[in-house]
Amino acid sequence: GESVGLHLPTLSVQEGDNSIINCAYSNSASDYFIWYKQESGKGPQFIIDIRSNMDKRQGQRVTVLLNKTVKHLSLQIAATQPGDSAVYFCAENISASGGSYIPTFGRGTSLIVHP
Amino acid sequence: EAGVTQSPTHLIKTRGQQATLRCSPISGHTSVYWYQQALGLGLQFLLWYDEGEERNRGNFPPRFSGRQFPNYSSELNVNALELEDSALYLCASSLGQGSEEQYFGPGTRLTVT
Repeated sequence: GESVGLHLPTLSVQEGDNSIINCAYSNSASDYFIWYKQESGKGPQFIIDIRSNMDKRQGQRVTVLLNKTVKHLSLQIAATQPGDSAVYFCAENISASGGSYIPTFGRGTSLIVHP
Repeated sequence: EAGVTQSPTHLIKTRGQQATLRCSPISGHTSVYWYQQALGLGLQFLLWYDEGEERNRGNFPPRFSGRQFPNYSSELNVNALELEDSALYLCASSLGQGSEEQYFGPGTRLTVT
């Protein structure tokens, strides 16, 4: 999921395929992770989250896997649909003062689903 | 229930001017977060307000400032605009301290010429 330069990494899949989007996070103290979906012209939308005491969490058609050993997060989308085309961001969260979280976002991966 | 709203949708300013961006959180949410999303980059945290107080600040110069009003709406002010300030500015709200899930508005596209 992370890259250098101005162009986002891109994942192109066919409709119906499973998609896997990866993200490397930086801080071993991060204890809460979120995946967001951002469609063109819109703000990010929450997809799924996972806490550091878990290594897998499933939602509707989505699964998040967390590997704390290598500080890696992945988002799996089953049976990808054209409506899934968007930029996907992972966010690592470190507990801030007062018990809330300030997320640090990755640069995002552009998912393109071909019908 | 209305989501997070932001105004204006687009804003064009010239270098050196000041910009004011506005955000209304979801009803019942007391925390407001501001982010900058420059082209091709991820979201960069700017400011967090809760219950009218600035709780945390990202790595941005002091010319980025803001405030939160008693009704929990918020303003982001950017003084002495520079070309590099051109970006999408996103506001998010949450239920407040201890609540992690943030709900984002559609953003304000600021263009500095």
